[in-house]
Order: sequence, then C-alpha cells, then structure tokens
Amino acid sequence: GEDVEQSLFLSVREGDSSVINCTYTDSSSTYLYWYKQEPGAGLQLLTYIFSNMDMKQDQRLTVLLNKKDKHLSLRIADTQTGDSAIYFCAETSSSNTGKLIFGQGTTLQVKP
Amino acid sequence: DSGVTQTPKHLITATGQRVTLRCSPRSGDLSVYWYQQSLDQGLQFLIQYYNGEERAKGNILERFSAQQFPDLHSELNLSSLELGDSALYFCASSVGGTGLSSGNTIYFGEGSWLTVV
Repeated sequence: GEDVEQSLFLSVREGDSSVINCTYTDSSSTYLYWYKQEPGAGLQLLTYIFSNMDMKQDQRLTVLLNKKDKHLSLRIADTQTGDSAIYFCAETSSSNTGKLIFGQGTTLQVKP
Repeated sequence: DSGVTQTPKHLITATGQRVTLRCSPRSGDLSVYWYQQSLDQGLQFLIQYYNGEERAKGNILERFSAQQFPDLHSELNLSSLELGDSALYFCASSVGGTGLSSGNTIYFGEGSWLTVV
C-alpha cells in the first residue's frame, strides 16, 4: 500500500540545523517531494529528489534518500525563524498518475 | 507565487448548499489535481484531470464532482454540504499526467477555505 509517515513536531534554536524525517512504503515511487506550508498559506514546493539519487543539495536544503530503508530526510542548515512552518513529505503514487501521497506534516518551531 | 490561481479564497456557506471552486493551472500545465486538507484527515487526494480527461480518482465523495474545461481551467463542485466538508481545498497543476515524467513537478495554489455552518 501507499503510506508516508512523518514525526509531528520538531523544535530547534535559530542558527541550528533542522532535520525532518520521513518514511514511505511504495518502493516504486519515482519522485519524492518536500513541501512547506506557512500558517494560512498554500503549499510551497521546496525541493524534490528522483529515486535514483542519494542526495540533493539546494542552498540551505539537503535532501537525503535511503532507498533501501525507504527513508527520506530534509536538512535545513542555519535554521531561521522564517523557516517555522509545516513541512510535508510526499511521494508519487505507484499508479500511472501524478497523484501525490502526503505525510501528516512536521511542524517546525524555530526559537530565537 | 506558484502560478496556480484559485478562487474564491474564502467561502462560508450553510449545510445543504452547493458551491463551486475554481482553479486556473499554470500556463502550459495540462494536469489539474484537487486535494482536501482537513485537521483530522490531513492532505487527501480527490481527483486528477489531464487535458480534459479524468486521470485518477481518490477519496472523492459522490456529492463532489469536478471537471476540466477546454481552456484547462478546472472546477470542483461540492453539493449537499455537511459540516465535515469544512476544509482547505487545494488545486495543483503539472505539465504531465504522471509522476514518471522527468521533472513533472506539481505546483499548488493558495487554496480555497470552505467553512460550512
């Protein structure tokens, strides 16, 4: 079946690194995504990784993919208060559509 | 700004009523997706259209229907509304119709907040 799990809450100090973790079940997923949702706002695409990659770096964001363990992580370096938001991990469905399966979202709280 | 436009942004209506949510995809995108976000269910996929045809169906109630028009905009119709239908409804779009296409990233609109009273 298709399922994506995330921890619900993470609190860090400004300037620290944040690591948000995600596990997924569909081994045939081709793309895995990270979206950010700020309070009262829509879903902003942060980054994505193709399933044949181990790592992708984009400025302060680093995505690590362990395909064997079906584990995905998002590392935010030098976390700022503006990074406070809910972060969603998503995988493409194994069916021949663009449907995304989302995790429950991880609320990141950044303390000054 | 993702380029996906949704209207209205906020809507309050009574139980039993019917509403229509509208979505304009990003220029050049052929696929439109609808998602529902609620506190108890999280982000749930409702339905996908690709170039006017239904491509995939998710947890969409029979009281809900959608369509994609020749100009590629889409409408989500919600009828016989219940209190539990109160949620944030997202539209998203992508170039292709599948998750297998290279770079078929999916961009979301700001959402339409629906409150049923």
